[in-house]
Amino acid sequence: RKEVEQDPGPFNVPEGATVAFNCTYSNSASQSFFWYRQDCRKEPKLLMSVYSSGNEDGRFTAQLNRASQYISLLIRDSKLSDSATYLCVVNPNTGGFKTIFGAGTRLFVKA
Amino acid sequence: DGGITQSPKYLFRKEGQNVTLSCEQNLNHDAMYWYRQDPGQGLRLIYYSQIVNDFQKGDIAEGYSVSREKKESFPLTVTSAQKNPTAFYLCASTLVSSGTYNEQFFGPGTRLTVL
Repeated sequence: RKEVEQDPGPFNVPEGATVAFNCTYSNSASQSFFWYRQDCRKEPKLLMSVYSSGNEDGRFTAQLNRASQYISLLIRDSKLSDSATYLCVVNPNTGGFKTIFGAGTRLFVKA
Repeated sequence: DGGITQSPKYLFRKEGQNVTLSCEQNLNHDAMYWYRQDPGQGLRLIYYSQIVNDFQKGDIAEGYSVSREKKESFPLTVTSAQKNPTAFYLCASTLVSSGTYNEQFFGPGTRLTVL
């Protein structure tokens, strides 16, 4: 089992749709979780951190489920500009600051 | 402007040559990282460094070497021992505070092609 696994893509959705991505992690001691966005041929950029209580930023909502060891990202009212690859990132808390990136989920939002 | 710079943006190398990719940050971050990304794939950790003069191997360190002589700089050398070095290389840094892991900030990347 991979340390961090994401939903296989791509996701193709119309503008205005709601789309959800899931990411599972294997190390129950993991403490820090993030969602990044990566545009084609660009560097990843932080979208949001994921807190135990969940957090929301405009159309984006992130949730953490420690019992089932997954995090989720919900995008409401999808825009064309949301088209990108979304990366799940986990710090496995194995000492030091090593991080594990998921393979990413590609989202295409169409008019 | 504070940030991370990587150079060059594109790099072409002949087989058997060593090349060094530059990564500099002026964010006063403690930890720095090197990742490799292949087309359609996620990021794989090559090396990381939490403090000056110290670094640890990541998941795919074979054929690569690094140094951390200054806090701001973390150059990566791709040696001739790396059999398939063509990839997108990303450098990142993060602030270490009270043992808490914070988000990483990335440079724009270097695309290395072996001819």
